[in-house]
Amino acid sequence: EIVMTQSPATLSVSPGERATLSCRASHSVSTSLAWYQQKPGQAPRLLIYGASTRATGIPLRFSGSGSGTEFTLTISSLQSEDSAVYYCQQYNSWPPACTFGLGTKLDIK
Amino acid sequence: QVQLQESGPGLVKPSQTLSLTCTVSGGSIRSDTYYWSWIRQRPGKGLEWIGYIHYRGTTYYNPSLKSQVSISVNPSKNQFSLYVSSVTAADTAVYYCARNQGYNWFDPWGQGTLVTVSS
Repeated sequence: EIVMTQSPATLSVSPGERATLSCRASHSVSTSLAWYQQKPGQAPRLLIYGASTRATGIPLRFSGSGSGTEFTLTISSLQSEDSAVYYCQQYNSWPPACTFGLGTKLDIK
Repeated sequence: QVQLQESGPGLVKPSQTLSLTCTVSGGSIRSDTYYWSWIRQRPGKGLEWIGYIHYRGTTYYNPSLKSQVSISVNPSKNQFSLYVSSVTAADTAVYYCARNQGYNWFDPWGQGTLVTVSS
């Protein structure tokens, strides 16, 4: 099983600043990596797939990068509505399977 | 656009079988492009993929749950279902259904349904 490790567990950033969230895979997943945003009481929402492609309707301030085992989600010009838990997910396994990281909780000060 | 909605009992007794159904609207489940998934989230915890199914019936499961779960599909009703047998308190969770692009990312998701295992 590919293990996904996210860091930090919690991040507190001021509005207007930039947040950088990390995700590391225990084995290479190429660019088979997605990011999700989950707000309290809501289902996760797809932000990024293919490591760097924004999903439909996702603001330009969300960007993803990386390949292999190291990935980054960057949120620029933070807004209060960005307060949420962010999860990464790999989908590079065969037979098909996927695993999620434990999440990074982003607080907007 | 495609929407998914989970339905089923919110309370299940220990040792019984948990059964949930996901109804797909705004699109057909009969697509060669997509798989249809179940994911759960224990209270205060992260996301755990349970498994997915293609409308033709091909299934893949999380190896750690494979002995306890099964997923079926009913294309004529545009629905797919999850069965978790011999449940314990550890199976208490919010259960989500979602659509997979191939074997890949999940989008969209249902709103989720809380299932509590308790006598």
